[in-house]
Amino acid sequence: QVQLQESGPGLVQPSQTLSLTCSVSGDSIASATYYWSWIRLPAGKGLEWIGRIYNGGSTSYSPSLKSRVTISVDTSKNQFSLKLNSVTAADTAIYYCARTQRARWFDPWGQGTLVTVSS
Amino acid sequence: QSALTQPASVSASPGQSITISCTGTSIDVGGYNYVSWYQQHPGKAPKLMIYDVTNRPSGVSARFSGSKSDNTASLTISGLQAEDEADYYCSSYTSSSTLVFGSGTKVTVL
Repeated sequence: QVQLQESGPGLVQPSQTLSLTCSVSGDSIASATYYWSWIRLPAGKGLEWIGRIYNGGSTSYSPSLKSRVTISVDTSKNQFSLKLNSVTAADTAIYYCARTQRARWFDPWGQGTLVTVSS
Repeated sequence: QSALTQPASVSASPGQSITISCTGTSIDVGGYNYVSWYQQHPGKAPKLMIYDVTNRPSGVSARFSGSKSDNTASLTISGLQAEDEADYYCSSYTSSSTLVFGSGTKVTVL
């Protein structure tokens, strides 16, 4: 059964770059069957889709975050990563990675990791 | 892209049925049969409950069902149980090949 696990710093300073990695087990990230997404949940707010990556590196990003986001994949490590630059307190959230089927539904999800933007 | 519109909260007694709406536009909910629904308990990761408007993944109770009419999708929970108390989010594919979530609905079992 496929499992996803997020990892990365829990604290990032304002104006710096947030970097997270999602490690995938039980499935090959190089598979042409699935997309791989990042999603976040700010405290007291709703889920927000950040973006996704597909086999070969094809990406799609949320219009509101597109200028600051990069999602990449490392097939040798069976991982994909998120970089969000120029962060502010508004980027404080629980960040989830998720396998994305047919580019349109998320299953399963990682357990999530809290990232706080603060000096 | 704006978040899809969901009611902030819905409540009912055990055994009753509830319906959560998810309203978008013709470029997302209304344009595709690609709406999914997620259940999230506090401190837990979201769980897929419905995909492509009406399809239920293996292992999800038949008490959960989905539908769509024009720009509004709906999730119905029948025979409400205490364990159904959670936050629920819809999501839709969009004409820009992106995805957008709903604002979220807190379900309370009285």
